[in-house]
Amino acid sequence: EDQVTQSPEALRLQEGESSSLNCSYTVSGLRGLFWYRQDPGKGPEFLFTLYSAGEEKEKERLKATLTKKESFLHITAPKPEDSATYLCAVQAMEYGNKLVFGAGTILRVKS
Amino acid sequence: DGGITQSPKYLFRKEGQNVTLSCEQNLNHDAMYWYRQDPGQGLRLIYYSQIVNDFQKGDIAEGYSVSREKKESFPLTVTSAQKNPTAFYLCASSIDGGVGTEAFFGQGTRLTVV
Repeated sequence: EDQVTQSPEALRLQEGESSSLNCSYTVSGLRGLFWYRQDPGKGPEFLFTLYSAGEEKEKERLKATLTKKESFLHITAPKPEDSATYLCAVQAMEYGNKLVFGAGTILRVKS
Repeated sequence: DGGITQSPKYLFRKEGQNVTLSCEQNLNHDAMYWYRQDPGQGLRLIYYSQIVNDFQKGDIAEGYSVSREKKESFPLTVTSAQKNPTAFYLCASSIDGGVGTEAFFGQGTRLTVV
């Protein structure tokens, strides 16, 4: 059973059309949830860390939120340059300090 | 500029050959990691090291080896025992590998078996 599941697998948006990406997890003892952005052929770029339910963080058009079983990455009025794969990862007591990654959501924003 | 440098960007391996991927960081981070990325799958941990001269196996260590002789360097060798080595390899580092510390990634090496 996958411990970290991201949905949808792919998302196409028109420029300016806001939406949300989901990351659900089944691990126990969450120590941190991380969001990354990855451009094709490049390494992931760190975006946010969330530690506890109810926490929110924002950066430009992106806002990450966390509940007890899932995290959302909200994208407000996206632009074509927001097109990328968005990865989430969790760090949990049952895995020590290792990060467990989801498969990612591929976002395409068309102008 | 501080960062993580992986080389080469592209690498081709013949059957039965060992190849070594380089990873260097100048962030003064204690912890370093190697991940493998395959299409449609999450990043999977190969090896990690939290201190010089010490490293641990990750989830998919078979067919790989590492060394950590210097704080700034963590090379990965893909041996002939790795039966399906074609993948995108990512090196990362974090300040101490502790709870809640984010990892920063290099730009990756794409390995192809020919």
